[in-house]
Amino acid sequence: DAGITQSPRHKVTETGTPVTLRCHQTENHRYMYWYRQDPGHGLRLIHYSYGVKDTDKGEVSDGYSVSRSKTEDFLLTLESATSSQTSVYFCACNSGVAPINEQFFGPGTRLTVL
Amino acid sequence: AQSVTQPDIHITVSEGASLELRCNYSYGATPYLFWYVQSPGQGLQLLLKYFSGDTLVQGIKGFEAEFKRSQSSFNLRKPSVHWSDAAEYFCAVGTGNQFYFGTGTSLTVIP
Repeated sequence: DAGITQSPRHKVTETGTPVTLRCHQTENHRYMYWYRQDPGHGLRLIHYSYGVKDTDKGEVSDGYSVSRSKTEDFLLTLESATSSQTSVYFCACNSGVAPINEQFFGPGTRLTVL
Repeated sequence: AQSVTQPDIHITVSEGASLELRCNYSYGATPYLFWYVQSPGQGLQLLLKYFSGDTLVQGIKGFEAEFKRSQSSFNLRKPSVHWSDAAEYFCAVGTGNQFYFGTGTSLTVIP
C-alpha cells in the first residue's frame, strides 16, 4: 500500500459544473496517474505526472486537466462536467525511481454527472 | 501501438477447480507485464509482475503466471480456486511512463 487516498470518494454533480478530484500520497512517489474505469473499457489513462509541475496527457485527456504543485498531491479537474464523464476515477503511483514498476492504486472516486 | 487483450469477459469456476485467465499483448520490445485483482468497490491490487528472467512468476494468494514470448501471452493460473478469489482481474503492460490495461475478466466462483 503506497498510502494513497482520494477525495471525495463519491460525488454527484450536474452537467456544466466544475469538479476537482484529489489524490494524496504519503510515500514521496515521483510518478502519479489518473485513470477512469468504465465497463467494457478497463482502465484508461487520463493524465499522468512525472514530477512537480510536470504532467502529460494520456489516451482520454479531452475535457480534463491536472495539476501537481506538490509531490504528494495530484489534482484532476473537469472544467465543465458532462454525463460522459460519469465514471469511477482511480489515482495510482509508481513505487520506484524507474518508471517501469508496479503501480499502487487508490480506492477510487465514483463520480456521477446528472 | 501497445495493447492488451483479455478475451474472456467473464469466467465461472467451481471452488477447488483450477483457473486460467488469458492475456495477450502487443508490444514491440520486451514487455513489462502485470496482473492486478480488483474486489468490488476496491482499488486494484498487484498479484504479480514479470520484468525479465524466469518466465514463470509466482504471486500472492497462490497465483502464478507464465510469459510466453512466442505467443505474446501472459496467462494467469491458480491450481485451486477459493470463493474469495471472486473478483475482476486485469492484465497490464508497462512501457515508458505509461501502463496499458486489458478490459478485465470477471471471475465468479460457485460452491
